[in-house]
Amino acid sequence: GQQVMQIPQYQHVQEGEDFTTYCNSSTTLSNIQWYKQRPGGHPVFLIQLVKSGEVKKQKRLTFQFGEAKKNSSLHITATQTTDVGTYFCAGSLGTDKLIFGTGTRLQVFP
Amino acid sequence: GAGVSQTPSNKVTEKGKYVELRCDPISGHTALYWYRQSLGQGPEFLIYFQGTGAADDSGLPNDRFFAVRPEGSVSTLKIQRTERGDSAVYLCASSPAGRGVGYTFGSGTRLTVV
Repeated sequence: GQQVMQIPQYQHVQEGEDFTTYCNSSTTLSNIQWYKQRPGGHPVFLIQLVKSGEVKKQKRLTFQFGEAKKNSSLHITATQTTDVGTYFCAGSLGTDKLIFGTGTRLQVFP
Repeated sequence: GAGVSQTPSNKVTEKGKYVELRCDPISGHTALYWYRQSLGQGPEFLIYFQGTGAADDSGLPNDRFFAVRPEGSVSTLKIQRTERGDSAVYLCASSPAGRGVGYTFGSGTRLTVV
């Protein structure tokens, strides 16, 4: 079946350092979404990417969708303690159903 | 309502018992999704509804799991003969009609089978 993998599984950074998580799908996606889950919380929608090669920015967060629409990345510039949480990518094959990735847990030390 | 509401927030049940988990989506959201999440894992798809009908139930692990959404709003996930391996957080989400819009998740029901 379809699989969505993310690396790294964990990342610890000093506040102010940059952070990147990578998402890879075994199949071509119609779109990809990113979610953030704080410790003890539920996933919260961040953004959706649809077009091949698309890049979107939200303040310090930059999201990219690969040319082949099989991979994506999330980059956070100058991390803050409020960025702590697990970041999930979630891919769609053309329906409303999303397959979530394995997640990257980010810890930020002040 | 303002958000997706799930009840109960916590459920402890004995192995072999039957449980029902309820989800009340955002008013007007036609799509409703059930996922389950184990510790340290990503949400695992179970089933989703468009209106009253199950559009895709390919994620239900076996016939002990069943979900309904009789009036196109509230949904109930039903688990028969619970097993310890069913222990997880069951997440419900909803979204408006059409593709391309993010899910709004509820806070989940933590199910523990002892």
